[in-house]
Order: sequence, then structure tokens, then C-alpha cells
Amino acid sequence: ETGVTQSPTHLIKTRGQQVTLRCSSQSGHNTVSWYQQALGQGPQFIFQYYREEENGRGNFPPRFSGLQFPNYSSELNVNALELDDSALYLCASSEDNTDTQYFGPGTRLTVL
Amino acid sequence: QQQVKQSPQSLIVQKGGISIINCAYENTAFDYFPWYQQFPGKGPALLIAIRPDVSEKKEGRFTISFNKSAKQFSLHIMDSQPGDSATYFCAASYLNAGNTGKLIFGQGTTLQVKP
Repeated sequence: ETGVTQSPTHLIKTRGQQVTLRCSSQSGHNTVSWYQQALGQGPQFIFQYYREEENGRGNFPPRFSGLQFPNYSSELNVNALELDDSALYLCASSEDNTDTQYFGPGTRLTVL
Repeated sequence: QQQVKQSPQSLIVQKGGISIINCAYENTAFDYFPWYQQFPGKGPALLIAIRPDVSEKKEGRFTISFNKSAKQFSLHIMDSQPGDSATYFCAASYLNAGNTGKLIFGQGTTLQVKP
């Protein structure tokens, strides 16, 4: 176990709705990264937060947004859901000045 | 230049055999190359990682071979077991001003180890 937890495990939404996914990092890990993993694909980097500030973003539209809180929890928000947003969403936490990222179990989002 | 290409897409190996998965990258700024193992419905779990200053790293039955000049690295699983059946991802990243870099993942290899 990595000590990184995510909620909920599964989620079903309809197109156009908004969703919030949650992640709890390991204590002391100031960096959290979010990834989207479509079925049969490798994870794709969405964005990263460091000490509550966005610290890098992948090729995802602005309707993907995030927050990081001082208690090592974070959120991924997706507005105006599209069918292609159906995927496993993963968060990963890491310590300062390290490469190693520890992944949570993911949230499976289905958009109908 | 940010891509990591992984092959094969799928692999079937007999129990006790050697599983070999290959990856290639373009960006010479990458300085961290991990391999992740993922079971269905689970998040990726770090298996083993290497930096470009060494050509090989071994942990138990898992070995990474790294060829800096060819910009290639590979995962070898010795004495493969049915419990190793999973999807394996190579990845690459570099530290960004002291902060953890974004991981660029390969497309994944589904390994099946037959009893």
C-alpha cells in the first residue's frame, strides 16, 4: 500500500455534469500529480500541485481544474463532462526533491 | 520528443521463463526511468527505477537494463510467475527546478505468464 487514498472508487455521471474527485496524499508529501488513464492506455499527466499552487499542466482543457489543501488532500474538478472523459483518474504524491511518485488506487469515472 | 515508446503490446511467457519489455525515448533531459506494475482495477505500483548514470539495476527477479547512447531501457523479469501477470508501464521524467517531474508513460505491455 502506498498510503495514497482516493474517493470515490467508482462514479457515474451524465454528459454536461460536473464532478469532483478527491485524493489524500501521504503525510509530508507536498506534491500531488493527477493523471488520466483511458482504457488500455498509459496514464496521461493532467496537472501537478506543489504546496497548494499549480506547478505544471499537461494538454488538458481548462474545464479540468484542481485544488490542493494544507492537510495533504487535493481535488480534481471536471466541468461540462464529455463522453471521452470516461477513464480511471489517478493521483500520485511525492516528497520534495524526489522523483518517486506513489499512486493511489484511482477513481473510475463513467460518463453516459 | 516527449514520447516514450514501449513494446511489445502483449507478451505470453511460460512459468519460469524470462519476460522482456523494451522502451525507447527521445528527450535526453529525462533522468529518471521507473517501471510500474498495474493489476486490473488498481493504481500503478512502482517496481523498480533507474537513472542514466548506471547501465543496470537489479532488485530480486526484476532487472532494468539501460542504454544511454541508444536511448533505450528494458525490464527483465526472471523466473516469471503466474502472479506476475499484469500490465507493465515504463515511464520517464526529470526534476523540474527541484520539483517532481511529470511522468511520461509508455503505452503498456500486458504480460500473461502461463502455468
